[in-house]
Amino acid sequence: QQPVQSPQAVILREGEDAVINCSSSKALYSVHWYRQKHGEAPVFLMILLKGGEQKGHDKISASFNEKKQQSSLYLTASQLSYSGTYFCGTGDSWGKLQFGAGTQVVVTP
Amino acid sequence: GAGVSQSPSNKVTEKGKDVELRCDPISGHTALYWYRQSLGQGLEFLIYFQGNSAPDKSGLPSDRFSAERTGGSVSTLTIQRTQQEDSAVYLCASSKGEQPQHFGDGTRLSIL
Repeated sequence: QQPVQSPQAVILREGEDAVINCSSSKALYSVHWYRQKHGEAPVFLMILLKGGEQKGHDKISASFNEKKQQSSLYLTASQLSYSGTYFCGTGDSWGKLQFGAGTQVVVTP
Repeated sequence: GAGVSQSPSNKVTEKGKDVELRCDPISGHTALYWYRQSLGQGLEFLIYFQGNSAPDKSGLPSDRFSAERTGGSVSTLTIQRTQQEDSAVYLCASSKGEQPQHFGDGTRLSIL
């Protein structure tokens, strides 16, 4: 089952913050976050494993609440380079990922 | 090579023809995935190979789609009797264990 991402799209001014949520109806073993720019392949941002840890990558961080079966990606002090479509991928015990439909992020000057 | 390599990068073919798409994963990566991405849409899971285990084919949309992975390395996705709705970008990714997936640049398939 595909995880559900929200919102579908968000428009930000440079410097503003945003949160992207990813929730699953199934038990999660891992959550992967990717960003895809137009016409390019998805690029890995971070992976969160069972344990509720929070990870960071520059001013982008994420949390994983396995009890609630959800993860959130935090874009802090957004930069123009953050524009793109963000996908969460939820992993099962076999390592197979199912991706959400994506959240389009547009950062304007 | 350093990354996941897919070929061809673009393929235009007539409806009803068969096509083969190739994926060369990163050396040592045991897992290989195929996804389909239609214009402006998300990543649709097609098939997953993990080591020597039987592949997870649960995402293949019809029996016209098949894939194989030879020697635990190169994979070929075959679409028989192509239809216009098969037009999309087909992405391949590979990974090692629970490590991140590395994506190839994809094959843009257009069915006339």
